Amino acid sequence: KQEVTQIPAALSVPEGENLVLNCSFTDSAIYNLQWFRQDPGKGLTSLLLIQSSQREQTSGRLNASLDKSSGRSTLYIAASQPGDSATYLCAVTQGGSEKLVFGKGTKLTVNP
Amino acid sequence: EPEVTQTPSHQVTQMGQEVILRCVPISNHLYFYWYRQILGQKVEFLVSFYNNEISEKSEIFDDQFSVERPDGSNFTLKIRSTKLEDSAMYFCASSENYPGANVLTFGAGSRLTVL
Repeated sequence: KQEVTQIPAALSVPEGENLVLNCSFTDSAIYNLQWFRQDPGKGLTSLLLIQSSQREQTSGRLNASLDKSSGRSTLYIAASQPGDSATYLCAVTQGGSEKLVFGKGTKLTVNP
Repeated sequence: EPEVTQTPSHQVTQMGQEVILRCVPISNHLYFYWYRQILGQKVEFLVSFYNNEISEKSEIFDDQFSVERPDGSNFTLKIRSTKLEDSAMYFCASSENYPGANVLTFGAGSRLTVL
């Protein structure tokens, strides 16, 4: 059974700092991996989607990497801003299944 | 930008009552999903729906749950006889294609409180 773990559970940084969020999964036979952002009381916003054949994806100040063989992904946020404060979720899909398996998330606070 | 719309945003109900949560997916999307998140816990998959039938469901999605796409635009989740442990945020999502190929677009969620 696939398990997704995110470390740290919470992170507080000063504005402008570069930071890395970590995601690990137990079954490396994934189809893709997605990073989502969740704001309090709101839905999930997809940030980046990495297919299993890819090593990384970039969108603006965000860069996600995938090491499928070791069961790890990282989300790098450059020059963090207070508006980046949210919970970041990692989720994977596996071949033959439509469901996303989520981690518990990392709650990020960027202090002005 | 197209959105997935969910109603109600918050519903309070008594244990044993039936609840229907409604979703309007993005119009050209073909795959529809319900997920839930109990407070402080992970987002969990409930069910996926394609071509007017359930394509996959989790062990959570037992006989008290059902889904329907009654009119080609709405996608509903019905809980027949609510339990205290059904209290959660319920998220609807849709995707244009098989989720491996495309991102899922999530709605803002419906918070269900069972008393």
